[in-house]
Amino acid sequence: DTEVTQTPKHLVMGMTNKKSLKCEQHMGHRAMYWYKQKAKKPPELMFVYSYEKLSINESVPSRFSPECPNSSLLNLHLHALQPEDSALYLCASSQDGPAGVDTQYFGPGTRLTVL
Amino acid sequence: GENVEQHPSTLSVQEGDSAVIKCTYSDSASNYFPWYKQELGKRPQLIIDIRSNVGEKKDQRIAVTLNKTAKHFSLHITETQPEDSAVYFCACGGATNKLIFGTGTLLAVQP
Repeated sequence: DTEVTQTPKHLVMGMTNKKSLKCEQHMGHRAMYWYKQKAKKPPELMFVYSYEKLSINESVPSRFSPECPNSSLLNLHLHALQPEDSALYLCASSQDGPAGVDTQYFGPGTRLTVL
Repeated sequence: GENVEQHPSTLSVQEGDSAVIKCTYSDSASNYFPWYKQELGKRPQLIIDIRSNVGEKKDQRIAVTLNKTAKHFSLHITETQPEDSAVYFCACGGATNKLIFGTGTLLAVQP
């Protein structure tokens, strides 16, 4: 299996809702990522998990809460979001070896709309 | 801090022509340089990557060249086809798991 999968594909939520985005990979990768992408902009790194531990948090607001239940799964819990948080949320995974950064494979993304 | 500049922001070519996109980076510790293609509404897909111990890499119609001294690298697409139309992002990575992306180039291949 050489794919990263994400659910749901689309999500519409109100500012008081709580929802979760899910990501899964079965490539044996030990690093997983959350990115946020606005239209016509590059992906913007939010979080990195390495060996199931949070290794990078790019000063993301606490209304975004990541979770890595095991080496294949990555969740992003959403609470009290703002309309400006509407974006495409991309998950990615990579090997995490001694050479440092490795090829990142992206999932199809979740298109989030906050009303 | 780390910075990656990408040019041009838009590029229109005729089918069959070549397209070149250039990126310049600031972090001398960068050693990994991937290129991603993103079609409208789709995920970024890796099309080619290069590490700092290599100056050039080619895969059919796509090639990447790296000049570590000048801190720039380029994507070359030959014999362009309409299905090459997309946004292309360069990126740089180093000792950590972090990739720094360029601002993207919208490539339009006119039939």
